[in-house]
Amino acid sequence: QQQVKQSPQSLIVQKGGISIINCAYENTAFDYFPWYQQFPGKGPALLIAIRPDVSEKKEGRFTISFNKSAKQFSLHIMDSQPGDSATYFCAASLTGTASKLTFGTGTRLQVTL
Amino acid sequence: DSGVTQTPKHLITATGQRVTLRCSPRSGDLSVYWYQQSLDQGLQFLIQYYNGEERAKGNILERFSAQQFPDLHSELNLSSLELGDSALYFCASSSWTDSTGELFFGEGSRLTVL
Repeated sequence: QQQVKQSPQSLIVQKGGISIINCAYENTAFDYFPWYQQFPGKGPALLIAIRPDVSEKKEGRFTISFNKSAKQFSLHIMDSQPGDSATYFCAASLTGTASKLTFGTGTRLQVTL
Repeated sequence: DSGVTQTPKHLITATGQRVTLRCSPRSGDLSVYWYQQSLDQGLQFLIQYYNGEERAKGNILERFSAQQFPDLHSELNLSSLELGDSALYFCASSSWTDSTGELFFGEGSRLTVL
């Protein structure tokens, strides 16, 4: 089964710090790599996504870094805030095949004061 | 608010029973997906429907079935329930023509099997 491996399982970061979550994938055909954010009691929501033609994408405090040769991508949250405390899922798929969106196992982020 | 509505939010039942989870997709979305979320396995894709037709199948047990109705709402039927079926079940919808592949998730139905 195609897998997306995500680490760490949980992460505690102080307010203002940088949160880093890593993912690795196996299928080199994947061409769409989204990150979803899930707050307790809510469903996951798209946070940011990247395609392999770029090595980095930034949206506000959130940055995806992508390393095609290593088949790895990561989410960086700069100046982490308590409101960022949530579970983050990386995922991968082929464009236009949302049904094949394969999720990582999630990282529970806690940002402390 | 994603625009995807799931009912019920919570459901407690006994082993061997059958339950039905309901999902109303975002207005205009033709695709509906069902995912199972458990603590140790993350989000597992179960099944996808597009405009009433089954489009893709994932790790869905034979005891589970789903359908999408002409008004595009979908139901996930879980039968002969086992303790291990306890999980959060999410419905998501998307626009088939959306190349970004963004899925819009509901808030989930939490199933507890005792």
